[in-house]
Amino acid sequence: RKEVEQDPGPFNVPEGATVAFNCTYSNSASQSFFWYRQDCRKEPKLLMSVYSSGNEDGRFTAQLNRASQYISLLIRDSKLSDSATYLCVALTGGGNKLTFGTGTQLKVEL
Amino acid sequence: GAVVSQHPSWVICKSGTSVKIECRSLDFQATTMFWYRQFPKQSLMLMATSNEGSKATYEQGVEKDKFLINHASLTLSTLTVTSAHPEDSSFYICSARGPGGQGISGGYTFGSGTRLTVV
Repeated sequence: RKEVEQDPGPFNVPEGATVAFNCTYSNSASQSFFWYRQDCRKEPKLLMSVYSSGNEDGRFTAQLNRASQYISLLIRDSKLSDSATYLCVALTGGGNKLTFGTGTQLKVEL
Repeated sequence: GAVVSQHPSWVICKSGTSVKIECRSLDFQATTMFWYRQFPKQSLMLMATSNEGSKATYEQGVEKDKFLINHASLTLSTLTVTSAHPEDSSFYICSARGPGGQGISGGYTFGSGTRLTVV
């Protein structure tokens, strides 16, 4: 079993739609969680950290459920520019190691 | 913000040759450098972690004699793929972390990646 699991997609949605991605992690000792965005052939870039209380950054909302070891990302009013692969990431190894999920591909269409 | 410069962006080499990839932290001291590899449609996989002045710690399954990592200074780390073979073709990315967790991305600043193709 992979340490961080995601549905690879792709998710094809029309512009303006609301879309949600899920992620599960197996290492209960994971300390922190993040969502990264990766464009084709580019390095990953931090989208947002994920907190148990839930956090929002503009059109993006992230949620963490430690009991279920489940993380989510909600994108509202999706834009064409949101098309990318979204990586769920856990910080493990005593806070020194980022473990990446395989990513969920999103395609926003006109 | 913190910047990590990674070079080259892409390289094509012949099988059997060695390729060196450099990562430099431009405006902070990278006490820890992480090297990742990403095959198409797969996640980033950590290859090794190196602390400045120390030997790198390799993840299980990564050959330390094939992937040589040097982190001799606080601003430079190199990854050398020795005797490269076509199966080594991949996207290699470095990530740097400063002593106080400097850098963006939760304390980790990524280089722009190197696409290696071995023919």
